[in-house]
Amino acid sequence: QPALTQPPSASGSPGQSVTISCTGTTSDPVEYTFVSWYQQYPGKAPKLIIYEIARRHSGVPDRFSGSYSGNTASLTISGLQTDDEADYYCSSHGGTRFGGGTKLTVL
Amino acid sequence: EVQLVESGGALVQPGGSLRLSCEVSGFTFSSHWMHWVRQAPGRGLVWVARIDTDGTNTDSADSVKGRFTISRDNAKNILYLQLSGLRAEDTAVYYCARGSLSPGIDYWGQGTLVTVSS
Repeated sequence: QPALTQPPSASGSPGQSVTISCTGTTSDPVEYTFVSWYQQYPGKAPKLIIYEIARRHSGVPDRFSGSYSGNTASLTISGLQTDDEADYYCSSHGGTRFGGGTKLTVL
Repeated sequence: EVQLVESGGALVQPGGSLRLSCEVSGFTFSSHWMHWVRQAPGRGLVWVARIDTDGTNTDSADSVKGRFTISRDNAKNILYLQLSGLRAEDTAVYYCARGSLSPGIDYWGQGTLVTVSS
């Protein structure tokens, strides 16, 4: 069982916005400040998109944004594009905890 | 350009051993913590182990404690993962990953596949 809980799937149409959540448990909460988000295409290595809750990694478009509230971190992708279709993972505790991943489908 | 290149993955029998390597370039290896993360076929990312900058301190997931050993050679810019007592459930792509300067992981290698099967 992953330490962090993500919805297994999410979807949206091109141009829309979608938000993916990442929730810790009471005994193992999401570590405030140091949450990261990764994008992974099938058969490829993950790539960092967001770190420290809301900072975008080099080269990541500002359509990607991160936030945190009450033991839940969130990744929002606005202006959805077809190449945003991928798996997304949250992580905390210095990279030692991962969510189960969310498969994003762009309809 | 930051590069991490894993090697050493193979088909191995249950109970067998293997050593994975990760050669890095494009950054000062000795300044970064390093991690191994694995991904079983069709499954999510699972952290395996990490090592501090000079190799003094290591940490690993409970599922691999006592079986897997992480180490590094800062003179050669290589990260290692020694796997022993392999089980079918260890079958996965193993990624080498760089610890960022703020807690977390920033760059990943392309992965190397370990298959444990008789």
